[in-house]
Amino acid sequence: AQRVTQPEKLLSVFKGAPVELKCNYSYSGSPELFWYVQYSRQRLQLLLRHISRESIKGFTADLNKGETSFHLKKPFAQEEDSAMYYCALMRVTGTYKYIFGTGTRLKVLA
Amino acid sequence: EAGVTQFPSHSVIEKGQTVTLRCDPISGHDNLYWYRRVMGKEIKFLLHFVKESKQDESGMPNNRFLAERTGGTYSTLKVQPAELEDSGVYFCASSPILEAFFGQGTRLTVV
Repeated sequence: AQRVTQPEKLLSVFKGAPVELKCNYSYSGSPELFWYVQYSRQRLQLLLRHISRESIKGFTADLNKGETSFHLKKPFAQEEDSAMYYCALMRVTGTYKYIFGTGTRLKVLA
Repeated sequence: EAGVTQFPSHSVIEKGQTVTLRCDPISGHDNLYWYRRVMGKEIKFLLHFVKESKQDESGMPNNRFLAERTGGTYSTLKVQPAELEDSGVYFCASSPILEAFFGQGTRLTVV
């Protein structure tokens, strides 16, 4: 079964502390993985995708096929990082569609 | 460039009533998706249009939900009759290929 698991509903860290938002997936093929973010009163938007191997707003995520994980990391959290983060898997066989995790709310405390 | 627009932003209806949600995708995006987030749960796929054709409607909960995309432009999602469990936030997204651009969502409350 195709599934995305985000084990933490809420993650609170202090400003300047490292952040790691966990994401594990279950998928039989080669996954396309993404992180989406929703800031307060804004729409859901793409943060980064594994295929481009980029760093956005200081966040990085590495696909670990052995552990079937795609954890999101940032070395020093900022208050403006507080938001809801969703890990998503794009199924690319048959029809394209996203499978989302339940999301993790990140609170960065001053 | 205008983003994905959804209307209304909020809707409160009584059980048994009908509600129609509308989504205007980004111009030129052939792919249009509907998703729903029920409180505390994941964002779940409802269906996928490619232009005016339903490519995948495997996520539609039951036959009380009807989605259309006339002429491959805007899409509507009608719930008739609405039940309490239909409450949630309904997201629309459009995509040229992989990256999906989301609307603000419609918060539907069935009382």
